[in-house]
Amino acid sequence: GAVVSQHPSWVICKSGTSVKIECRSLDFQATTMFWYRQFPKQSLMLMATSNEGSKATYEQGVEKDKFLINHASLTLSTLTVTSAHPEDSSFYICSARRSTGDFYEQYFGPGTRLTVT
Amino acid sequence: GQNIDQPTEMTATEGAIVQINCTYQTSGFNGLFWYQQHAGEAPTFLSYNVLDGLEEKGRFSSFLSRSKGYSYLLLKELQMKDSASYLCAVLDSNYQLIWGAGTKLIIKP
Repeated sequence: GAVVSQHPSWVICKSGTSVKIECRSLDFQATTMFWYRQFPKQSLMLMATSNEGSKATYEQGVEKDKFLINHASLTLSTLTVTSAHPEDSSFYICSARRSTGDFYEQYFGPGTRLTVT
Repeated sequence: GQNIDQPTEMTATEGAIVQINCTYQTSGFNGLFWYQQHAGEAPTFLSYNVLDGLEEKGRFSSFLSRSKGYSYLLLKELQMKDSASYLCAVLDSNYQLIWGAGTKLIIKP
């Protein structure tokens, strides 16, 4: 159990276009979903936290108008990179949290590698 | 500020034992996680400690000392497939995960 899927697994797009990445919790309801970005040889950088039905909370330095997050249901969150530029090329990973008692584990999706040309 | 420190890189021999340390200074503490991440893949959960002591799970064990702000991940009987980055993360008072930069573990035959 506790599987998180991401789609697409990789995408190449042209500069100026928008890309949508989906994150789904397949066998559990996610009270909270997280979006991370990871550049090569660096650790995870939290971009935003979203709870179903409410606006996402963005980390400092992350442009909310550029990285649109929609958490429409307890099993689906989407990240849209608008007007993508080459510097947005990165590995985007979502994770979902299911609260079980006092144990707040995050389950990670497989990641989406975005390349902007 | 919040800070998590772990070594950048470690090298060990196949079949041996390796200990990866993690020290943390965070605003509040609601548990410490260890994740494994292979290159180009997402992290996978290894362990969770919220009380002091050692948690053993097969070849992997994780230790926590809250008073010292210290944890370690112990890997026994190392296999080549254990070559990966190991990420230490602390759940702070806001239940947000604070991530370390990760330790790249290189296993040599």
